[in-house]
Amino acid sequence: AAGVIQSPRHLIKEKRETATLKCYPIPRHDTVYWYQQGPGQDPQFLISFYEKMQSDKGSIPDRFSAQQFSDYHSELNMSSLELGDSALYFCASSPSVATGELFFGEGSRLTVL
Amino acid sequence: AQSVAQPEDQVNVAEGNPLTVKCTYSVSGNPYLFWYVQYPNRGLQFLLKYITGDNLVKGSYGFEAEFNKSQTSFHLKKPSALVSDSALYFCAVRDRRRDDKIIFGKGTRLHILP
Repeated sequence: AAGVIQSPRHLIKEKRETATLKCYPIPRHDTVYWYQQGPGQDPQFLISFYEKMQSDKGSIPDRFSAQQFSDYHSELNMSSLELGDSALYFCASSPSVATGELFFGEGSRLTVL
Repeated sequence: AQSVAQPEDQVNVAEGNPLTVKCTYSVSGNPYLFWYVQYPNRGLQFLLKYITGDNLVKGSYGFEAEFNKSQTSFHLKKPSALVSDSALYFCAVRDRRRDDKIIFGKGTRLHILP
């Protein structure tokens, strides 16, 4: 079965650089979520999109932005990177049934040097 | 706002013994409850969920969880632990509202001792 696809899997950037992470949800899933997981931490909700519109926002820095495109894929853009942005970034998708669990991708590991 | 508490950072269990990973939640209405497992450098894998109905729900890999509304708990259980069950387990809650986010607990690291 198709899963959530994230790219790149690993990314190394310098401080103050910009990074873009991509997420391709499971087909027919119309809701996408972004989570950030620091080392030894639980996943923290960043932002979500339903039918290409932002539906909820969590602890996402102003330096970060995200969008969902017409094909339902989503991109997380991170600018002015800081050392503390080093983390595993997960994308998850769910169908439009509200009781559904989230299906997670394998994550993109960002390292900021 | 919803929240989840996992009171144990780590649980050690001998292989073959029953295991319990504890979780309590707080949500304004009726919750959707989930358990996820995470292996090193991997994504979160769904184990089971409680939506409504029987308080005991069964999930993947022989795991089950019991929903207790009066104690606002959703403890994860398995009758006989395997070494391969060693991983990080997250309890999560979702408020009963369309497309609302899932909030995770801090996670409990489960060590199954051979």
